[in-house]
Amino acid sequence: AQKITQTQPGMFVQEKEAVTLDCTYDTSDPSYGLFWYKQPSSGEMIFLIYQGSYDQQNATEGRYSLNFQKARKSANLVISASQLGDSAMYFCAMREGFVYGNKLVFGAGTILRVKS
Amino acid sequence: GAVVSQHPSWVICKSGTSVKIECRSLDFQATTMFWYRQFPKQSLMLMATSNEGSKATYEQGVEKDKFLINHASLTLSTLTVTSAHPEDSSFYICSPNYGGTEAFFGQGTRLTVV
Repeated sequence: AQKITQTQPGMFVQEKEAVTLDCTYDTSDPSYGLFWYKQPSSGEMIFLIYQGSYDQQNATEGRYSLNFQKARKSANLVISASQLGDSAMYFCAMREGFVYGNKLVFGAGTILRVKS
Repeated sequence: GAVVSQHPSWVICKSGTSVKIECRSLDFQATTMFWYRQFPKQSLMLMATSNEGSKATYEQGVEKDKFLINHASLTLSTLTVTSAHPEDSSFYICSPNYGGTEAFFGQGTRLTVV
């Protein structure tokens, strides 16, 4: 079974609008962490936001927020006020437990295109 | 955040030759390094985990004799693709085990085997 599922291969959003990128996960470990990364065409992995399984509140980092619904095992990324520079590939990833450190499992990714 | 330097950023090599990729953690000691591979238009997949002073562990389906990993110091891990073939063309990226709530990555190496 897929541990991380991103069901949107591609998304379009109008500049200045908000967009939600979906991510569902599957784990039986009560301790886990969820990450979102942005990967532009250069290939670098840019960390956006992190949510721990025990965190009570949804994580926020500037224009990025994570809609964490633990019972539904979803961790959607919300980008507010989209900018042209947000066009990139976005990956959701999970770390299970802490024994293996930050070994991550990635979803298939979503390509986001921001239209002017 | 942690600073990770990966070199080279891109390399083209002839089929049958070997290529070495270096990954350095510049501002902290990394006892463990994760190596990922990303084929075009695909996601990142963990290839192997290197541990300073001990043998690397490889994920299922990854040939350990083809992808040699050396983690000789707390700041340097290397991945050598031996006898490279066109199907090894990919984006390779390292990530030191930093702990905490972030995972940092090197800049990545785009390997093209011709």
